[in-house]
Amino acid sequence: DVKVTQSSRYLVKRTGEKVFLECVQDMDHENMFWYRQDPGLGLRLIYFSYDVKMKEKGDIPEGYSVSREKKERFSLILESASTNQTSMYLCASNPPRVTKTQYFGPGTRLLVL
Amino acid sequence: AQKVTQAQTEISVVEKEDVTLDCVYETRDTTYYLFWYKQPPSGELVFLIRRNSFDEQNEISGRYSWNFQKSTSSFNFTITASQVVDSAVYFCALYAGGTSYGKLTFGQGTILTVHP
Repeated sequence: DVKVTQSSRYLVKRTGEKVFLECVQDMDHENMFWYRQDPGLGLRLIYFSYDVKMKEKGDIPEGYSVSREKKERFSLILESASTNQTSMYLCASNPPRVTKTQYFGPGTRLLVL
Repeated sequence: AQKVTQAQTEISVVEKEDVTLDCVYETRDTTYYLFWYKQPPSGELVFLIRRNSFDEQNEISGRYSWNFQKSTSSFNFTITASQVVDSAVYFCALYAGGTSYGKLTFGQGTILTVHP
């Protein structure tokens, strides 16, 4: 079974803090994704990565950055957290060219005070 | 550009009722994939089904069935004899664009509540 894990299920941070969200997958997938989920808006893609050290902006990259130093790990960084970044963050991965099916982690609920 | 619309924000049914979740998509690509995911209260999205644009055959898996109609750009999901465990948020998603990255466009989600 594909396993995607995220470092925290719940996180509370203060405005202006630097926040790291970690995602690890154990299936040697090339592609990894970060989404945020907000009520009524579905999932929106923040960033994705198709290889180590490679990244592409998604639909809402503003206020975020990412890091992929190892194939299995994809980090989302909030350089200076703001209250409008309070959300559910979901990480996903998939192998390239094959099924396009993404496998998701359990999500991190981030509250920025 | 790709777009997925799930017009039903919330649906509430009583156990054993049948329920259909609607999904309408937009794409100019002739090759694409459609997906349904389930998100139970635990938060993790669970993959339910994938369909490619060349396969319009309907699919049944236990109490779940999917109706794919290219003529109406719809990919609807029916749960027969619903159960309390079906309560979740359900997402329809579209992949199109010809890259290998697998970027998905998601609908807004439908919250399904099944009452005992």
